[in-house]
Amino acid sequence: GDSVTQMEGPVTLSEEAFLTINCTYTATGYPSLFWYVQYPGEGLQLLLKATKADDKGSNKGFEATYRKETTSFHLEKGSVQVSDSAVYFCALTHYNTDKLIFGTGTRLQVFP
Amino acid sequence: DGGITQSPKYLFRKEGQNVTLSCEQNLNHDAMYWYRQDPGQGLRLIYYSQIVNDFQKGDIAEGYSVSREKKESFPLTVTSAQKNPTAFYLCASSRPEAGPGGYTFGSGTRLTVV
Repeated sequence: GDSVTQMEGPVTLSEEAFLTINCTYTATGYPSLFWYVQYPGEGLQLLLKATKADDKGSNKGFEATYRKETTSFHLEKGSVQVSDSAVYFCALTHYNTDKLIFGTGTRLQVFP
Repeated sequence: DGGITQSPKYLFRKEGQNVTLSCEQNLNHDAMYWYRQDPGQGLRLIYYSQIVNDFQKGDIAEGYSVSREKKESFPLTVTSAQKNPTAFYLCASSRPEAGPGGYTFGSGTRLTVV
């Protein structure tokens, strides 16, 4: 079945460092891909998405490009802030089901 | 403002008791979902409903039950048959016709069995 694999955390960075969180997927057809963020004690918020190959999703300085040839959707940010500390989830869904399948999440800790 | 309300935020249950988690949305979304979150396991789908009076099992439905009598409400009952109910429970809703994956999540209920 469909699945999402994320790099294990925690990822620990100093403020203003470059961030990459890897995400690869297994799916039939052409899924849509998402990054969600979860701040402590809260639900998930959609961070960005891409619905077809080569699309780039971006929001709040974060970016991810839908790479069908490598089945990847890596999350990047050029300069992280302490306020970016959270858990980041990669997910996919097929349009006709609208069910989200999540990766295990990656915790990001940013220190001043 | 529209959104999803989950209550209570924290819930304690004695072993052998059933407990019901509330989820209400005022977004006029047709679809609603319940996920369970455990450390290191991400989110797993318990039940989902795409329309009133209809719902389907997700990946880990055993020991849980739901109802969908109103569009706005999708309560989850954790029964005594659920062997390891301590977890963080998240409710979500979506409007599939608006495009894929446009989920709105509630802020969650943390259930602890004591």
